[in-house]
Amino acid sequence: DVKVTQSSRYLVKRTGEKVFLECVQDMDHENMFWYRQDPGLGLRLIYFSYDVKMKEKGDIPEGYSVSREKKERFSLILESASTNQTSMYLCASSSPALVGGTDTQYFGPGTRLTVL
Amino acid sequence: DQQVKQNSPSLSVQEGRISILNCDYTNSMFDYFLWYKKYPAEGPTFLISISSIKDKNEDGRFTVFLNKSAKHLSLHIVPSQPGDSAVYFCAASAGQTGANNLFFGTGTRLTVIP
Repeated sequence: DVKVTQSSRYLVKRTGEKVFLECVQDMDHENMFWYRQDPGLGLRLIYFSYDVKMKEKGDIPEGYSVSREKKERFSLILESASTNQTSMYLCASSSPALVGGTDTQYFGPGTRLTVL
Repeated sequence: DQQVKQNSPSLSVQEGRISILNCDYTNSMFDYFLWYKKYPAEGPTFLISISSIKDKNEDGRFTVFLNKSAKHLSLHIVPSQPGDSAVYFCAASAGQTGANNLFFGTGTRLTVIP
């Protein structure tokens, strides 16, 4: 079974703090993703990575950065947390699709971040 | 702009009856569609998918129908069970190589009443 783990289930931080969210997958997947989920907005892609040290911006990268130093680990960094970054953060991983298909993304349990 | 839309935020169905969850999309380049199910305090889990070369895919109690001309897909659950109560997300992919980005809808909360 694919396992994607996230370092914290719940996190409370203060405005201006630097926040690290860690994600680890154990299936040797090339691709890793960070989303945030907000009521009425669904899942929105923040950043993704298709290889070690590679990163691409998603739909809402502002205020975030990422790091992928090892294949199994993908970190999301909030350089200076703000209240509008209070959200559920979900990490996912996948392998490149076979021809004619698409890769299934496997999600971690999520981190609910509250910024006060 | 939301490229994948789920216009019903919630749906309630009696146990044993059929649940039909709907999804519309705007991007004609999408060629693969997935449904994910999410329980509270858990990450989404993959449920079923369909390629644009098909119009139906079935897996046990779950069937996904695709109408490309209408840019519409639906998930049918029959018979519905209380354990199916969850938020269901529709997602679409444009079949890029490398990391296939998924575009998600806003979700529909299904409640199956015992």
